[in-house]
Amino acid sequence: DQQVKQNSPSLSVQEGRISILNCDYTNSMFDYFLWYKKYPAEGPTFLISISSIKDKNEDGRFTVFLNKSAKHLSLHIVPSQPGDSAVYFCAASVTGSSNTGKLIFGQGTTLQVKP
Amino acid sequence: NAGVMQNPRHLVRRRGQEARLRCSPMKGHSHVYWYRQLPEEGLKFMVYLQKENIIDESGMPKERFSAEFPKEGPSILRIQQVVRGDSAAYFCASSPPRAPGELFFGEGSRLTVL
Repeated sequence: DQQVKQNSPSLSVQEGRISILNCDYTNSMFDYFLWYKKYPAEGPTFLISISSIKDKNEDGRFTVFLNKSAKHLSLHIVPSQPGDSAVYFCAASVTGSSNTGKLIFGQGTTLQVKP
Repeated sequence: NAGVMQNPRHLVRRRGQEARLRCSPMKGHSHVYWYRQLPEEGLKFMVYLQKENIIDESGMPKERFSAEFPKEGPSILRIQQVVRGDSAAYFCASSPPRAPGELFFGEGSRLTVL
């Protein structure tokens, strides 16, 4: 039962262009969403998050959009840089419980930014 | 301020042996989580602990796996009688008391079972 899905295993974009990574979820109880970035042989690092009371959150080159009716979120990276090449994980949680660190992760999307 | 420290980074065990993975959370963090990443998959929640308490172990396999976070010392994930299917990357994360959803991950321990 995959509650968080990232249907694109990989994405390749040119440096300077926009990268759009997508994520779908099935559990309507999720109210907090995060994106993590992971380099090989390292742990995931937090990138950006969004609460379900918002539909957009922006931090520098990174913007996350949330469409609750479609149960869909996306991460936009503009402009993309070669250093952005990594695996990106979408994650979701239900913050109403005490287990707010219990994140449900998608399978990840490998982003390659070509110089 | 050191990050989440995990050791060993790599561990090789033969089937039937025991594996012990250790995690020291970031200074000031009182919540510890263990996640497992199987090859070609995302991270899967295993267990959530606070000092001397297991808060949620709903992701732990029913047998052979156990976790603790003692009053003193690191959190330990213990796998008894390992099998080949236990081969994975095990990530520990910690979070501060007032922001339990903000996870900081360690670099992971990669277990290989021969």
